[in-house]
Amino acid sequence: SAVISQKPSRDICQRGTSLTIQCQVDSQVTMMFWYRQQPGQSLTLIATANQGSEATYESGFVIDKFPISRPNLTFSTLTVSNMSPEDSSIYLCSGQGDTQYFGPGTRLTVL
Amino acid sequence: QKEVEQNSGPLSVPEGAIASLNCTYSDRGSQSFFWYRQYSGKSPELIMFIYSNGDKEDGRFTAQLNKASQYVSLLIRDSQPSDSATYLCAVKEGTALIFGKGTTLSVSS
Repeated sequence: SAVISQKPSRDICQRGTSLTIQCQVDSQVTMMFWYRQQPGQSLTLIATANQGSEATYESGFVIDKFPISRPNLTFSTLTVSNMSPEDSSIYLCSGQGDTQYFGPGTRLTVL
Repeated sequence: QKEVEQNSGPLSVPEGAIASLNCTYSDRGSQSFFWYRQYSGKSPELIMFIYSNGDKEDGRFTAQLNKASQYVSLLIRDSQPSDSATYLCAVKEGTALIFGKGTTLSVSS
């Protein structure tokens, strides 16, 4: 199984600012994904991070708000732009090799 | 919009009992099904997965698929207090997983 790390583990940010979350996988994975989990809710897929090309976003999520990079097979970043309190959530990176594993998450609070 | 439905619970069982968790899915063509366990404040961890060709047993856990009725179940035998968590059902759609809202299981000692 892949081991996935994320930085930062948590952050408190001011409205209108941006935060970039990093995700590192310890082995090459075919796919990487970003999910959001709002308090008391399940996981919602934000986008699929594609290596060397633009991410594929799910309905309701746009590149201007959640730009994603994946420069190689083991690393990806998600930026939450122009944040508002509604963006307060846990953001989870996921990698898929033989199956799909999750990083520890980034707990974001926007004031 | 493809959907995965779960009863949010809580499901309460005594220690040593069998816990039965269910989820239904909307896409009749789905072929891969996953169960994750999530402890409070932690990220989901994979328990097991099954494909449309059959059920699967792994230790105290059994995953079963009923394709005709479009539901997947997870049975936990000899439930332990450490099994108390939220159990997330997920169905593979394309390359990604679509998750249900999860069922909270509470095992009392």
